[in-house]
Amino acid sequence: AQSVAQPEDQVNVAEGNPLTVKCTYSVSGNPYLFWYVQYPNRGLQFLLKYITGDNLVKGSYGFEAEFNKSQTSFHLKKPSALVSDSALYFCAVSLPGNTPLVFGKGTRLSVIA
Amino acid sequence: NAGVTQTPKFQVLKTGQSMTLQCAQDMNHNSMYWYRQDPGMGLRLIYYSASEGTTDKGEVPNGYNVSRLNKREFSLRLESAAPSQTSVYFCASYAGNTGELFFGEGSRLTVL
Repeated sequence: AQSVAQPEDQVNVAEGNPLTVKCTYSVSGNPYLFWYVQYPNRGLQFLLKYITGDNLVKGSYGFEAEFNKSQTSFHLKKPSALVSDSALYFCAVSLPGNTPLVFGKGTRLSVIA
Repeated sequence: NAGVTQTPKFQVLKTGQSMTLQCAQDMNHNSMYWYRQDPGMGLRLIYYSASEGTTDKGEVPNGYNVSRLNKREFSLRLESAAPSQTSVYFCASYAGNTGELFFGEGSRLTVL
């Protein structure tokens, strides 16, 4: 069975500094990996995904993530944080073949001006 | 383009009452999902439907039933609500060609 761990409940970063939100996963097989963002009182929005190919994937709003197979990680990064990036971030994993996404518990990112 | 539409957005129930959460998508996706979101628990899958006419249990199906009425609609029913079902419920549809989930805005349910 697939599982996702987001080891940090909360990440605080100063505006303009780089940010990292961590994610590790466990699957049997080649994973599909995703990051979603949730703003207050809203549904989740897709940020980026890794299916295959280049280990560094770029997504919406300047975010990127690096797939590391040996460390089973898929950390979300951004070179320069904005206050508007403050939100709840979810990592998710699935397997090829229309299997349901399994989500981590979420990491709350707070960017301080 | 509405995407995924959920109703109602808010509902308060008493223990033992029943209700149905409605979900519809206009993206012609085959697969649809119901998740619940609780603080510190992330999103947990309740039921999903890989295609019209099929449904399968997820991680937390107890106390819920679902109906895939047609390709567009996937409803979630609570037959006898319990306080443990107080949560925010999200419907999502799955774009098989991209692997992306599209979420509704959520339904906040309180059971007293």
